[in-house]
Amino acid sequence: DQQVKQNSPSLSVQEGRISILNCDYTNSMFDYFLWYKKYPAEGPTFLISISSIKDKNEDGRFTVFLNKSAKHLSLHIVPSQPGDSAVYFCAALESYVLIFGQGTELSVKP
Amino acid sequence: DAGVIQSPRHEVTEMGQEVTLRCKPISGHNSLFWYRQTMMRGLELLIYFNNNVPIDDSGMPEDRFSAKMPNASFSTLKIQPSEPRDSAVYFCASSLPGHNSPLHFGNGTRLTVT
Repeated sequence: DQQVKQNSPSLSVQEGRISILNCDYTNSMFDYFLWYKKYPAEGPTFLISISSIKDKNEDGRFTVFLNKSAKHLSLHIVPSQPGDSAVYFCAALESYVLIFGQGTELSVKP
Repeated sequence: DAGVIQSPRHEVTEMGQEVTLRCKPISGHNSLFWYRQTMMRGLELLIYFNNNVPIDDSGMPEDRFSAKMPNASFSTLKIQPSEPRDSAVYFCASSLPGHNSPLHFGNGTRLTVT
């Protein structure tokens, strides 16, 4: 039973537009969430995180929103660039363990 | 900073053979994790070390899997004997002390067992 779910396996967006990647979780005890980005043949790299005491965290073109009541978080990329094309993983921290979603493959078309 | 270094990048072996995957964490990181990525199960934690001590190995699928961390700069994941269903990408990751320290991943070892 997956505790962190990314229901969209893929997303295609035009360059310059907004990319919105979604993630749902089931455990209300999760208190820290992270997004990782993965290029082919590389390991995941940390992108941005958010604590459950916040509902928004912004870093340049990347913003993560957290809706605790809905157990939902999203990653917004504005404006999207072709170099953002990658697989994005949502993760929740349970104690010391990162629990990952299945990933969403983002394709940003020029 | 060289990042987390894993070797080999690719490993192809026959069923029944022993496989050893290696990892060098980032200097100063005291936590080390081994993850496995498959199409079916995504990224799943196999084992977690803190200060070279295995803390949680509940994710290790079977007794055929074992992991060691003899010192702060080296860890191994061994599969003996290997089976075709072990084929996956194996990632090592390390992190600094602290509850919310992000994990830094290596580039993985792609294992194929025929």
